[in-house]
This record gives sequence, structure tokens and C-alpha cells, in this order.
Amino acid sequence: EDQVTQSPEALRLQEGESSSLNCSYTVSGLRGLFWYRQDPGKGPEFLFTLYSAGEEKEKERLKATLTKKESFLHITAPKPEDSATYLCAVQRGYGGSQGNLIFGKGTKLSVKP
Amino acid sequence: NAGVTQTPKFQVLKTGQSMTLQCAQDMNHEYMSWYRQDPGMGLRLIHYSVGAGITDQGEVPNGYNVSRSTTEDFPLRLLSAAPSQTSVYFCASSYSKTGPSGYEQYFGPGTRLTVT
Repeated sequence: EDQVTQSPEALRLQEGESSSLNCSYTVSGLRGLFWYRQDPGKGPEFLFTLYSAGEEKEKERLKATLTKKESFLHITAPKPEDSATYLCAVQRGYGGSQGNLIFGKGTKLSVKP
Repeated sequence: NAGVTQTPKFQVLKTGQSMTLQCAQDMNHEYMSWYRQDPGMGLRLIHYSVGAGITDQGEVPNGYNVSRSTTEDFPLRLLSAAPSQTSVYFCASSYSKTGPSGYEQYFGPGTRLTVT
């Protein structure tokens, strides 16, 4: 069964304390892996798409990496405004139901000043 | 561009009532979808559409109907509301339905629904 698991469920960091969030997946033929950020009371906001193992993408203090079994979202020197829930999703194919995304349950990140 | 818009933002229904959640996008996206988000369950796909006139079921379709008469609009209908449908509902859209890129979905702000 296709599955996406995110860990930890919650993470508390001090401002400036770097860390990583994990997204492990089991899908038959990964076509894309997506990271989203969700603030309380709002819809998910797109961050990154990764397509193949070894690929990396960066945006400000965030860097996403991808292997054949998992993806990491590295947060360098986080600030309180980075506090949010981070969601991971995978795409199994192109067109029809294969294009639908399967989401993990998310990691809730809190960054204290 | 307004992106993906949803109305209403909040709604309270009584068991057995029906209503329609509205979703519209102005990005000319072919693919649109509806999710529900519940604590501890993550985002679950209800229905999706790959273009006007084409819809299909997702993971949790029971109790919901959809139609797609235009590219821009994708309303979600609750036929007879039940307390189990208390949730936050998100509409999303993306550009491409085929090919290796363009699948990043853009989400609306959500509708918080309570059924009593």
C-alpha cells in the first residue's frame, strides 16, 4: 500500500537551532515529492517539488533533499516565523488517479525565541 | 490573480441539512480537487476533476457530490450532513494532468464546517 510517514510529529527548537524533518515513503514508482507549509487556520502553501533521488532545492532557511526512500527538510538557523506544520506529499504517476497526491500527517514545528 | 478562493469560511449545519461549498480558481488550471483535514488524519482526498465535465472519487467520497461544468469552478455538495462530516475542507488546483511537472497543487484558505 502506498504510504507517506512523517517524523517527528512535533518538534520544538530554539531560535538558531538547526534540525531536520523526515518524510519516508513507500510508493510504486515515485513521480514527484512535494513539501508544503501550513499555518494555523490557513491552507497549505507550496514550498518544493523534488523529482529524482539526489535532487536538492533551497529556499531561504529551508533545504529539501530526496533519496529513494525518504526526503528531508533541513531548517538552518530557524526563526520564530518558521513555526508551522510542514506537510509532505507524493505523486505516483501522471494523469487520472495516479496524479493525485498522497499526504503525510505533517510535522508541527515550533521555534522559540 | 486571486488564486483559489473558497466560500464560506465558516458554516454550521444541523444533521440532515444540505449545502454547497464553493471553490473557484482563476489560473486556468485543469486539475481541481477537494480534501478534508481532520486532527491526526492528515489531508484526505474526497473528489477530484481532471477537466471540465470529468470528475472521479478520491479516498473518502461517501456523502459528497461534485460537478465541474466550467474550468474555473468545482463545487462540493453535502447531500445530508452528518456529524462525521465536521471538518476543515480545502479545495486545490494544479496546472498539469500529464507530464513530469506542473503537479504542485495550490490550496484555497479552507472552509471550517461544523455539523451538530
